Amino acid sequence: GEDVEQSLFLSVREGDSSVINCTYTDSSSTYLYWYKQEPGAGLQLLTYIFSNMDMKQDQRLTVLLNKKDKHLSLRIADTQTGDSAIYFCADSYSSASKIIFGSGTRLSIRP
Amino acid sequence: DAMVIQNPRYQVTQFGKPVTLSCSQTLNHNVMYWYQQKSSQAPKLLFHYYDKDFNNEADTPDNFQSRRPNTSFCFLDIRSPGLGDAAMYLCATSRDKGLESYEQYFGPGTRLTVT
Repeated sequence: GEDVEQSLFLSVREGDSSVINCTYTDSSSTYLYWYKQEPGAGLQLLTYIFSNMDMKQDQRLTVLLNKKDKHLSLRIADTQTGDSAIYFCADSYSSASKIIFGSGTRLSIRP
Repeated sequence: DAMVIQNPRYQVTQFGKPVTLSCSQTLNHNVMYWYQQKSSQAPKLLFHYYDKDFNNEADTPDNFQSRRPNTSFCFLDIRSPGLGDAAMYLCATSRDKGLESYEQYFGPGTRLTVT
C-alpha cells in the first residue's frame, strides 16, 4: 500500500536552515503536504504542493518536489525557537478524503 | 474566525465505559474526518463523512462509531474503550469539490486517557 517515510529527528542551530526530507511511494499523488504539530496541539497545514510543480516558496518555507525519485523536502530558512515542533509529510491519493501521513520529524532547535 | 472545535480537550474514561468525543466546525465544510494519533505516530484515519454519507476505513475497529447529526457537528463514540484506545483524537474538515478539497483543517484534538 501507499507509504510515506521521514526521519524521526532533526536538530539544528538557531538561525540555520532546517531541511526535512520525506519519501513516498504513491505515483498517482495529487497533492503533497507539510503539517506542523506543536506539543499537545492539532495539526496545522504549513504548505502544500501540487504534483506538477517542482518547487513552492512561501516566506521562510521552500518545498522541493522530485517526482521521479518520489522525494519531498521542506526547507525552513533562519530557523527560530518557535519552529520547534513535529513536522508531518503527507500525501493525498485517489481522492481528497485519503491522506497518508508520515511518522513525523521532530525538529529541535539548539542555541 | 472560522474554525474546527473539539470538546473536551482532555477526556478521562474508565476501561469499558462508553465515551463520546465531539467536533464542531464553522467552516461549512461538508466533509468531516476522525483520526486517531497515538504517541509518536502518524495520524491514522478512522472514518469520514461526505455530508451524511459515512465512510469507514477497513481496519477501524467496530468499537468505534460516529454520528453526524448536521453539517456542523460530528461525534466519535467509543463503545467499550480499552487501554489501547488511549490516544489523541483529531477531527478535520474539508470541502468536497474543487482545488480546496485537498486542504484539511484540523481541530486541536482531544487527548483520551483510559484508566
